[in-house]
Parts: sequence; C-alpha cells; structure tokens
Amino acid sequence: DVKVTQSSRYLVKRTGEKVFLECVQDMDHENMFWYRQDPGLGLRLIYFSYDVKMKEKGDIPEGYSVSREKKERFSLILESASTNQTSMYLCASSLPPPPSPSGNTIYFGEGSWLTVV
Amino acid sequence: AQKVTQAQTEISVVEKEDVTLDCVYETRDTTYYLFWYKQPPSGELVFLIRRNSFDEQNEISGRYSWNFQKSTSSFNFTITASQVVDSAVYFCALTFFTGGGNKLTFGTGTQLKVEL
Repeated sequence: DVKVTQSSRYLVKRTGEKVFLECVQDMDHENMFWYRQDPGLGLRLIYFSYDVKMKEKGDIPEGYSVSREKKERFSLILESASTNQTSMYLCASSLPPPPSPSGNTIYFGEGSWLTVV
Repeated sequence: AQKVTQAQTEISVVEKEDVTLDCVYETRDTTYYLFWYKQPPSGELVFLIRRNSFDEQNEISGRYSWNFQKSTSSFNFTITASQVVDSAVYFCALTFFTGGGNKLTFGTGTQLKVEL
C-alpha cells in the first residue's frame, strides 16, 4: 500500500514563528504536493514538485516555500506564520502521468492541523 | 482554466436511501483524468475512482457507481442503499498536466450525512 506520512498531526504555533511541515512517501513517487483545506474552499494547491530540487507554485503559494532535497521527502515551510495560515495541510504524492497503470492517482497523507495564535 | 463544481454543499439522507453527488468540470484539455475522493472525519483523503477522458463507460463497484458524460462535462457519483459509514465529505477532482507533472484541481466538496 502507498503510504504518505506527515510528521505532525496537530501543531500550535505563534504568529511570526517559522514552521516546518514534513512529508515522506514510501512509493518512490516522482510527484509530491502540498494542499491546504479550508471550509467552503475545498483543497487548494500551494506547491508541487515533480522531481528532486524541482518545484512549481500552485494556486496559493504566497507566504509559503518548499524544499525537496530527497525524492521521498517534501517539506512545506511557513517563513513567518500568520493567523490566516491556520488550516489543515495535506501532503500528497503520485507517479507521473500514464502509461503507468496508477499514473496520475494522487495519494494523500492524513493531514496536519495547524493553528497559529 | 480548470474548474470543478460541486453545487451540493451538504446532503442528508436516511440509511438505505440512494444518493447522487454531482460534479461538473471545465477544462480545455482533451486528455484529463477525473477522480472521486472520500474524506471521513479522520481527515485522510481516500481514493475511490479514477476515470480518463477517453473512457466514458460507467463503472460500478459494490454500492458505488459513477456516471461520466463528456457531453455535459459531468462525473456524478451514486451510492446505493447508503449506510452510516458513508458519512463523509466527498471531493471530485480533475487532473491536468503541466511541465513534467500533473496537478489536481478539487471541487469544494459535498458533505454527506447518512442517518439511521
């Protein structure tokens, strides 16, 4: 089974702190993603990476950065946390597009609930 | 631009009723994939189904069935004889290709509540 593991399930941080959210996948997937989920807004893509050291901005990258030094690990960084970044953050991974039989299917971690006070 | 619309914010049904969750999408791509995910209260998104744009066959898996119609850009999800364990938020999503990778655009989700 595909396993996407997010290091912290629940975090509480203070405004202005630097926050690291870590994600590891064990299926040798090339693609990795960070989404945030907010009520009424669904899931919105923050950043994604399709290879080591490669990254691309998603729909809402402001206030975030990412790091992908190793294939299995994709970190989301909040340089200076703010209260409007209180949210649930979901990490995901996938193979590249087909012809892989499972290409394009994106697998998610359990989510990290971040509260910024 | 890619867009997925789930017009139903919340649906409540009584156990054993059938329920259909609607999904309408917009894309300019000719090759794309559609997905449904289930998110139970625990938070993890569980993959349910993937359908590519060239395959309009409907699919049935147990009590779940999916109706894909390109003519109306819809990919609806029906649960037959619903159960309390089906209570969750369901997301429809569309994938498209950019650079070397693929991205998912999600709808805003439909909260399904199944009551006894």
